[in-house]
Amino acid sequence: EDQVTQSPEALRLQEGESSSLNCSYTVSGLRGLFWYRQDPGKGPEFLFTLYSAGEEKEKERLKATLTKKESFLHITAPKPEDSATYLCAVQTSERAGSYQLTFGKGTKLSVIP
Amino acid sequence: KAGVTQTPRYLIKTRGQQVTLSCSPISGHRSVSWYQQTPGQGLQFLFEYFSETQRNKGNFPGRFSGRQFSNSRSEMNVSTLELGDSALYLCASSFLSDNYGYTFGSGTRLTVV
Repeated sequence: EDQVTQSPEALRLQEGESSSLNCSYTVSGLRGLFWYRQDPGKGPEFLFTLYSAGEEKEKERLKATLTKKESFLHITAPKPEDSATYLCAVQTSERAGSYQLTFGKGTKLSVIP
Repeated sequence: KAGVTQTPRYLIKTRGQQVTLSCSPISGHRSVSWYQQTPGQGLQFLFEYFSETQRNKGNFPGRFSGRQFSNSRSEMNVSTLELGDSALYLCASSFLSDNYGYTFGSGTRLTVV
């Protein structure tokens, strides 16, 4: 069974204090790994898709990296508006052709001014 | 460009009743997926529809069903509601049934009393 584990569950940072969120996965065949951001009362907002080990993607203060067993979401010099729950999800090759994601439970990030 | 629209935003139902939720995908998107989000289990896949056909289904009881219309709009139905069905129900759409940054709606918050 595919499993996605995110850590930490919650993270409090001072504004400008860089850190990383972790997503470790156990799947039989990874097709893609996704990062989403979710604000309270809203649906997840797409951030990145990573397809193969060694791949990196950046967007503003966020940078996502992927290895064979885990992914990291690095947040550089965060601002209060970066406060949200960050979700990691995997799509496996067995389900290629039909969209299904297995999500982790998320990391709730709070950035204090 | 309009996003994914889910209606209604909030619902309160009594145990034993049934409910129908609606999702209008982004214009041109043919794939619609449904997820259930609860604090304890996180986001869990319900089912995916592509061109009016159910292509994949998650591990939920038969009380959960759905359909997709020719204009790609989708509905999901939950019959014989239980207290544990209280959750945020999210719909996501994409042009293809693939991993190209599915766009989520804001969800329908269902409360069963």
